[in-house]
Amino acid sequence: SQKIEQNSEALNIQEGKTATLTCNYTNYSPAYLQWYRQDPGRGPVFLLLIRENEKEKRKERLKVTFDTTLKQSLFHITASQPADSATYLCALALSSGGSYIPTFGRGTSLIVHP
Amino acid sequence: DVKVTQSSRYLVKRTGEKVFLECVQDMDHENMFWYRQDPGLGLRLIYFSYDVKMKEKGDIPEGYSVSREKKERFSLILESASTNQTSMYLCASTPTVIRDLTPAGELFFGEGSRLTVL
Repeated sequence: SQKIEQNSEALNIQEGKTATLTCNYTNYSPAYLQWYRQDPGRGPVFLLLIRENEKEKRKERLKVTFDTTLKQSLFHITASQPADSATYLCALALSSGGSYIPTFGRGTSLIVHP
Repeated sequence: DVKVTQSSRYLVKRTGEKVFLECVQDMDHENMFWYRQDPGLGLRLIYFSYDVKMKEKGDIPEGYSVSREKKERFSLILESASTNQTSMYLCASTPTVIRDLTPAGELFFGEGSRLTVL
């Protein structure tokens, strides 16, 4: 069966450290993978997109890697801050009849302690 | 800035009522989506639409229908609300890249509509 797995347990880290979140998938061949941030009671907000032929993408303090052999993406936040505390969702874009349909993992909660 | 507006942030309805959730986007996006989000289950796709009057079923369409009469508006309809449809409903849109006719990727979400069915 097809699965997208993100750690269900919250990740607790100290301010200033690097947070690393994992997204694993099985039985998919995504065209690209995205990461979103979601704050409580709000809609998700897009952060980064990485395509299947890209290994790494960076944006300010954010870095995403995509290993299609391991079927895994890692999302890093360097120099983390309490304001980075949120739930982070990965989404795989799967081909469906000519469109690419985003399918989401369940998300991992990140808590950055001052 | 792209804006996706959902008509109601909070709704309380009774079992058996017909419920309309409205979503409007102001960026001329071709693709629109309805997801529901439940604790422990994440976002699950209900329906999506890639053009006016076009609709496709997502992973959990049962108990729902949709309407896309205008490009900017995508409505989710619960014909007869049930308690198991209590959830957060999220609408999203994304453009299609004309060059290769694939969606550009980034989903723009509304703020969500929290529906409680009693």
